[in-house]
Amino acid sequence: SQQGEEDPQALSIQEGENATMNCSYKTSINNLQWYRQNSGRGLVHLILIRSNEREKHSGRLRVTLDTSKKSSSLLITASRAADTASYFCATALSGYSTLTFGKGTMLLVSP
Amino acid sequence: DVKVTQSSRYLVKRTGEKVFLECVQDMDHENMFWYRQDPGLGLRLIYFSYDVKMKEKGDIPEGYSVSREKKERFSLILESASTNQTSMYLCASSLPAGDEQPQHFGDGTRLSIL
Repeated sequence: SQQGEEDPQALSIQEGENATMNCSYKTSINNLQWYRQNSGRGLVHLILIRSNEREKHSGRLRVTLDTSKKSSSLLITASRAADTASYFCATALSGYSTLTFGKGTMLLVSP
Repeated sequence: DVKVTQSSRYLVKRTGEKVFLECVQDMDHENMFWYRQDPGLGLRLIYFSYDVKMKEKGDIPEGYSVSREKKERFSLILESASTNQTSMYLCASSLPAGDEQPQHFGDGTRLSIL
């Protein structure tokens, strides 16, 4: 069953602009994670936010979590061409090691 | 850094063949996972393993089996390959859930079944 769903499916911006991606999920979670996938490569973990956290920062990344709305957002500030990739949210249930991934947002950052 | 290595980046096989996809991790992780990734469908979990010789079905196990004889190695087996198994296959590993550790992925094997 699909847990996370990203929005939008695709996003095209210019270098220097901010990029915001959203993720919605259906059931209570233990944590939510964001991953990046460059074309033809594996996924790389970006950031993990626990269910009792509301906001987390890592470099140019800012993640928020609203458990009442069952949603999360990933903000990439001052985007660079190298940020061009697909971004996935993944949810973890309490006590389980498995993740359920969304279908991803494809981000294109043009120079 | 954790390294997850998948034996082949590209693989072409014929319908009916038995296909082995190999994955090795070097960080002594207990958990290992196999996913397939298809356009418009995202990542779907095929099988996972919490320990040596242990395996659990994921969301789409039909047509697949797995083997974990050593902690560092997790193999995905297509018993009789079919064209609908043409896909990108991704292996991942992680520490146990209690540590809330992320999954670490290999670069994937793009498998074509002709």
